[in-house]
Order: sequence, then C-alpha cells, then structure tokens
Amino acid sequence: EVQLVESGGGLAQPGGSLRLSCAASGLNFRTHEMSWVRQAPGRGLEWLSYISSSRDTVHYADSVKGRFTISRDNAKNSLWLQMNSLRVEDTAIYYCAGGFYGSRFDYWGQGILVTVSS
Amino acid sequence: NFLLTQPHSVSASPGKTVTISCTGSSGSIANTYVQWYRLRPGSAPTIVMYEDNHRPSGVPERFSGSIDSSSNSASLTISGLKTEDEADYYCQSYDSTNHWVFGGGTKLTVL
Repeated sequence: EVQLVESGGGLAQPGGSLRLSCAASGLNFRTHEMSWVRQAPGRGLEWLSYISSSRDTVHYADSVKGRFTISRDNAKNSLWLQMNSLRVEDTAIYYCAGGFYGSRFDYWGQGILVTVSS
Repeated sequence: NFLLTQPHSVSASPGKTVTISCTGSSGSIANTYVQWYRLRPGSAPTIVMYEDNHRPSGVPERFSGSIDSSSNSASLTISGLKTEDEADYYCQSYDSTNHWVFGGGTKLTVL
C-alpha cells in the first residue's frame, strides 16, 4: 500500500519559516514525480510546486515562487517543502502528491495543517 | 493564465445520474489530459479519473469521464448515485507554462 505522510506543520508567525516533510513508502519513490498542493480554508486545491524524479526539474506557482523551495532525497524516500517569508494567506492544509506520470497525482498524503498568524 | 471553471455545487437523489462540468478558459482542453479527484472531509484526495476517461483500479464503473471539444469542457458523470459519493470533486489539467491547474471544485450532494 502506498503511503505518503506529511509532517512539520503547525503555527508560524508572518515572515517566519517552516519546513514540511513527506515520507513515502510502498512505491518506487525514485521513479515518481512529486508535487505539493494546498487547500486554504474555504478554498479549492492549489498546486504549489513540482520536482521531477531525478531532481533536475522544479516548477513553482507564482504565489510561492521565491519563497518556497521543493527538494527530495530518493535514498531516503523523502520530499520536503521549505517555506520562507510566510504570509497569513499561506494558511492551509498542505498535501504531498505524486505519481509515475508528472501530469497527474495518483497518490496523496493525508495533509498537514499550516497556520500563519501573529 | 489557464483556468478551469466548475459549478459550485450539484445535487441529485440516490440512484440518479449527475454530471460535473469543467470548462477551460482558453486553448483546447482536448490538448492536455484532464484528471478528476474526490475530496472528502478529513481524508486524502483520491484520483477517480485520469487522462480524460480512464478509471483507476478500484473506482467503480459508475464513474465515467469525457471531453467535449466544442464547448472546451471535460465532464465527470456518476451514475447510480450512492450516499458515499457525496464529496467535493476537482478537475485538474496542465498548462503550457509548466503549471498544474485545478478547477474550483464542485460540491456533490446526494439528497
């Protein structure tokens, strides 16, 4: 069974930082392309960032470009999202998601709540 | 920016059929694949349709997907509605600027 488990969420102050982690199991992680997706309260799903299986390609949504950094370690079956310069509007449930084909998200984590508030 | 527009909500009675639309803002939605995801409160999103009209294993045949190029839209149809189908459904595609795009989501209520 494929499992993606996020951690590292919680409360941060505006301007602060958090680092989210996603631990993958039950899949050949090194062959899967991964992304981070979030859902703000009362809002829809929003794609944030993508990283290719070999780490050589990354993409970011305009809303987080320059503030968030995606990374992965295939040897550790792990994905991360470093979030800097956090804003109140970054408050959301953050999901790691991915699949063999980068155009879609076959697997999702349960999500982790990030709250940005003073 | 490429946008996908969905109705805010749809509803139908158990046993009936419902269709959720997803309309592209520009270009041709037929040029890129559309996926559909189900999101239930407190649960991880799950994919229920990929590449326009392909069902992942475990998704019942009651679920079907289609593309209508004339209206630049994709649709998810659920027949024989069950109360367990009640959830938020999101369409998703991929635009030419290397961005993944979700529709705004549709709340399905099974009355």
